[in-house]
Amino acid sequence: NFMLTQPHSVSESPGKTVTISCTRSSGRIASTYVQWYQHRPGSSPTTVIYGDDQRPSGVPSRFSGSIDSSSNSASLIISGLKTEDEADYYCQSYDSNNHVVFGGGTKLTVL
Amino acid sequence: QVQLQESGPGLVKPSQTLSLTCSVSGASISSGDYYWNWIRQHPGKGLEWIGYIYRGGSTSYNLSLKSRVAISLDTSETQFSLHLSSVTAADTAMYYCAIIPTVTKSFDYWGQGALVTVSS
Repeated sequence: NFMLTQPHSVSESPGKTVTISCTRSSGRIASTYVQWYQHRPGSSPTTVIYGDDQRPSGVPSRFSGSIDSSSNSASLIISGLKTEDEADYYCQSYDSNNHVVFGGGTKLTVL
Repeated sequence: QVQLQESGPGLVKPSQTLSLTCSVSGASISSGDYYWNWIRQHPGKGLEWIGYIYRGGSTSYNLSLKSRVAISLDTSETQFSLHLSSVTAADTAMYYCAIIPTVTKSFDYWGQGALVTVSS
């Protein structure tokens, strides 16, 4: 099996752009799709990116996703940061047995 | 509109079995269009996938929990359940049911979560 490693925390100012990385420990990042979830305290997680770079309806275009085979990682990019973006963000993918793998989560602080 | 709601005891004694039910509306459990999942979050920690059931009863579990976990479909086909045996304090967590549409392969629908504490 593999692990997805995320930074424990990131912080940035309102209006700026932040990138949260998700590095796959083994196997190719491109071999299975990566999803990203936003989890605010007291609420259930919501999908902000699926299929590596697809945005569900209702998710602002400020959110985008990408993968980089050279670093074997996926990235969630949030531009034009708003205070409401402050939350925990999790990446997620699948192993070869279709088992779900979550990253450890990244706490985004918008200050 | 798909809605999920967890229910079950909020307090379970050590060594007993934790049982939770997820009530589903707006989606058919008998459909092959979804994977029906359980996920948990320990206090202050990240999300941990427990397992899922799909296509009429096939299951897949997190290997770290496989010996203690069972996910089943209710015969009414409007609920699915989690059973976690031989619990310890380490199983104290918020438990979520969530479903993955086969089209998106992402956790698009979540319940509100059920906090379960393991304590004597």
